[in-house]
Amino acid sequence: AQTVTQSQPEMSVQEAETVTLSCTYDTSENNYYLFWYKQPPSRQMILVIRQEAYKQQNATENRFSVNFQKAAKSFSLKISDSQLGDTAMYFCAFMKPLTPNDMRFGAGTRLTVKP
Amino acid sequence: DGGITQSPKYLFRKEGQNVTLSCEQNLNHDAMYWYRQDPGQGLRLIYYSQIVNDFQKGDIAEGYSVSREKKESFPLTVTSAQKNPTAFYLCASSIALSHYEQYFGPGTRLTVT
Repeated sequence: AQTVTQSQPEMSVQEAETVTLSCTYDTSENNYYLFWYKQPPSRQMILVIRQEAYKQQNATENRFSVNFQKAAKSFSLKISDSQLGDTAMYFCAFMKPLTPNDMRFGAGTRLTVKP
Repeated sequence: DGGITQSPKYLFRKEGQNVTLSCEQNLNHDAMYWYRQDPGQGLRLIYYSQIVNDFQKGDIAEGYSVSREKKESFPLTVTSAQKNPTAFYLCASSIALSHYEQYFGPGTRLTVT
């Protein structure tokens, strides 16, 4: 079974600075999807970024980018120019193709952006 | 606006009572999901449905039941058989079971005392 580990329960960063959230996963699959979800205080889960394992290029969405290391099974999220609105829980998730019913989530990292 | 609605946001029940959580979507999505979220844990799948009148158990289905009589609606019933029902419940949907992107509702916080 696939497992997802987020080793940082809590992190904080000063506004406008850069922060990196870590995620590792365990799988024997070669093709899969990885996601970062954001859950702000409103508690609605929002997809931040996704990465297809067959793509070598790291995904980027505005201030959010990932460092995908397939051999190391590592998938970190970098947030640049942190904003107060980035304060949230961040969840890393893993999914095999065609099985969204088997999406595996990490325990989450609580990020606080300080003014 | 298209999206997923869950009501109510907060729900309180006495132990031994069944309670039904509402989930409605107007995204025209075929697949819908129910997740449970506990402190310090990621989301865990309770039930999912890929089409009307069809649903399957997820990892933690015991003590829960669902129905899918309409494409737009996927209510979750927390029965008295669920040993630890107090949790945050999230509903999600995707275009199809084969599609990776899930859209989430705002969630319902259930407290059972």
